[in-house]
Amino acid sequence: DVKVTQSSRYLVKRTGEKVFLECVQDMDHENMFWYRQDPGLGLRLIYFSYDVKMKEKGDIPEGYSVSREKKERFSLILESASTNQTSMYLCASSLSGGLTEAFFGQGTRLTVV
Amino acid sequence: RKEVEQDPGPFNVPEGATVAFNCTYSNSASQSFFWYRQDCRKEPKLLMSVYSSGNEDGRFTAQLNRASQYISLLIRDSKLSDSATYLCVVIKGAQKLVFGQGTRLTINP
Repeated sequence: DVKVTQSSRYLVKRTGEKVFLECVQDMDHENMFWYRQDPGLGLRLIYFSYDVKMKEKGDIPEGYSVSREKKERFSLILESASTNQTSMYLCASSLSGGLTEAFFGQGTRLTVV
Repeated sequence: RKEVEQDPGPFNVPEGATVAFNCTYSNSASQSFFWYRQDCRKEPKLLMSVYSSGNEDGRFTAQLNRASQYISLLIRDSKLSDSATYLCVVIKGAQKLVFGQGTRLTINP
């Protein structure tokens, strides 16, 4: 079974803190994605990566950065957390080509206070 | 205009009913389409792919209408366990998955 694991289910951080959200997949997938999910807005793509050290901005990259030093790991970084970044963050991975299923992690509920 | 649009619902239907959702997309060059299902407080999971010829999986039927740029999902003989949010997904470019906001369905006994 494909497994996508996010490092935390729940996080509470203070405004201005640097926050790291980690995601690891075990199926040698080329593509990895970070989404945030908010009520009424659905899943919005923050960043995605189609290869090690490669990244592309999604629809809402402002305030975020990413790192992919190894194929299996994709990190989302909030350089200076703000309250409007309180959300559910979902990581996903898929094989290259875009025609195959994407597998999601269980999500990280981040609250910035 | 959003790239992928869905009626957010909620749809409340009795058990055994047939229910259908539509999803419209704006990029006529989109090639791949999917329906995902998301249960409350869970991650999304693939329900079915949507092929040009349409496809059926048990009680679920997915259709693609390229001329009008929409995809549909039909659920027959609905079960209580079908209660979930259904997400329409379109592949943008070669790799990016673009999600609709989801349609919330509740099946009532």
